[in-house]
Amino acid sequence: GNSVTQMEGPVTLSEEAFLTINCTYTATGYPSLFWYVQYPGEGLQLLLKATKADDKGSNKGFEATYRKETTSFHLEKGSVQVSDSAVYFCALTGGNEKLTFGTGTRLTIIP
Amino acid sequence: EAEVAQSPRYKITEKSQAVAFWCDPISGHATLYWYRQILGQGPELLVQFQDESVVDDSQLPKDRFSAERLKGVDSTLKIQPAELGDSAMYLCASSSEVTGSYNEQFFGPGTRLTVL
Repeated sequence: GNSVTQMEGPVTLSEEAFLTINCTYTATGYPSLFWYVQYPGEGLQLLLKATKADDKGSNKGFEATYRKETTSFHLEKGSVQVSDSAVYFCALTGGNEKLTFGTGTRLTIIP
Repeated sequence: EAEVAQSPRYKITEKSQAVAFWCDPISGHATLYWYRQILGQGPELLVQFQDESVVDDSQLPKDRFSAERLKGVDSTLKIQPAELGDSAMYLCASSSEVTGSYNEQFFGPGTRLTVL
């Protein structure tokens, strides 16, 4: 079955630091890949997505590239802000709309 | 901006009691999902509705959990009887249409259940 392995947290960084959160996946066929973010007290929000190999998803300064050869979809941001503090989830769908999530990575940015 | 509504936001109950959660999806969204998120884990799909029909309930513990969406709009998830291991966040999501390509799922704020 499908699965997502995500970098364990928590991750604590200083403001303006470079961020990488690793995500690898196992899936049959050609899944679509996603990063969701959950801010404190709120529901999950779609951050970015990529639907085929070599696609790059981007939003709010975050980027992730769909790497089929390494089955990875690592999340990056060049300069993080305090407002980026949240829990980040990597996820995939196999085409039937069912999302399979990773365990989440809690990110804390300190001023 | 349209949002998925859930209530209650928090629920504390004793084991063996019955609990129910309500979800109102974004207007016009035909597909509705219930997920369970155990602390420290990612959400797991419990049940998926297309209009009023269940299309996937393979992970729903049917001996104690039930879900309905009678008019194809709002939905209720029930647990009876609740067990200690049911303590989790219950998330509802909706999307506009299942067409073979991914349709973004919009999540509600969740109901945090604590079973004592």
